[in-house]
Amino acid sequence: SYELTQPPSLSVSPGQTASIPCSGDKLGDKFACWYQQKPGQSPVLVIYEDNKRSSGIPERFSGSNSGITATLTISGTQALDEALYYCQAWDSNTAVFGGGTKLTVL
Amino acid sequence: QEHLQESGPGLVKPSETLSLTCSVSTDSMKNKYWSWIRQPPGKGLEWIGYVYFNGTTNYNPTLKGRVKISVDTSNNKFSLRLTSVTAADTAVYYCVRTGYDYVWGALSWFDPWGPGIRVIVSS
Repeated sequence: SYELTQPPSLSVSPGQTASIPCSGDKLGDKFACWYQQKPGQSPVLVIYEDNKRSSGIPERFSGSNSGITATLTISGTQALDEALYYCQAWDSNTAVFGGGTKLTVL
Repeated sequence: QEHLQESGPGLVKPSETLSLTCSVSTDSMKNKYWSWIRQPPGKGLEWIGYVYFNGTTNYNPTLKGRVKISVDTSNNKFSLRLTSVTAADTAVYYCVRTGYDYVWGALSWFDPWGPGIRVIVSS
């Protein structure tokens, strides 16, 4: 079965750029989406189809996808960006999520 | 934008059937896909399956045989049934609209999400 791999955790200083990778076999040939989940809340769509920002998502969020890696980039990271981030793609008509990356802003 | 709300029992006994309903506030469920996704305590997201407005379904292979998703477009609802549950089925269950890209002819994003309903499998 298809798998997406994310680092379990990542730390970034406020104002710096955070890059969260997601890897999978030929992921660049698929569309990647990214979701943000804060404690006790439902996930929120951040990026869809590799690099399109969902409605209401700040411009500091961007995405890319090539080869085997999709990347969520947060420029000028703010304290309120601290959350779990999940990547997601479709393979053989089945949705697959990465294991999630806990982004800590400190 | 649609609003989704899950409902159903929060406690199910082992070996029994978990049944949840999602009420969708929308002009129409027509030509749209609708999914169930779950999240076990402290773990990541797992897609369960989707239903198209016409009743076409597709399920996660890991759950096939135990899961059924159905849709009632006249009442703007879709439902999940999961049979023979065990403690491993304890999770927050989310209903979500599933986006479809008509240019590329492919399923795409999950948005919006319902608030989720916590289901515990225990005797």
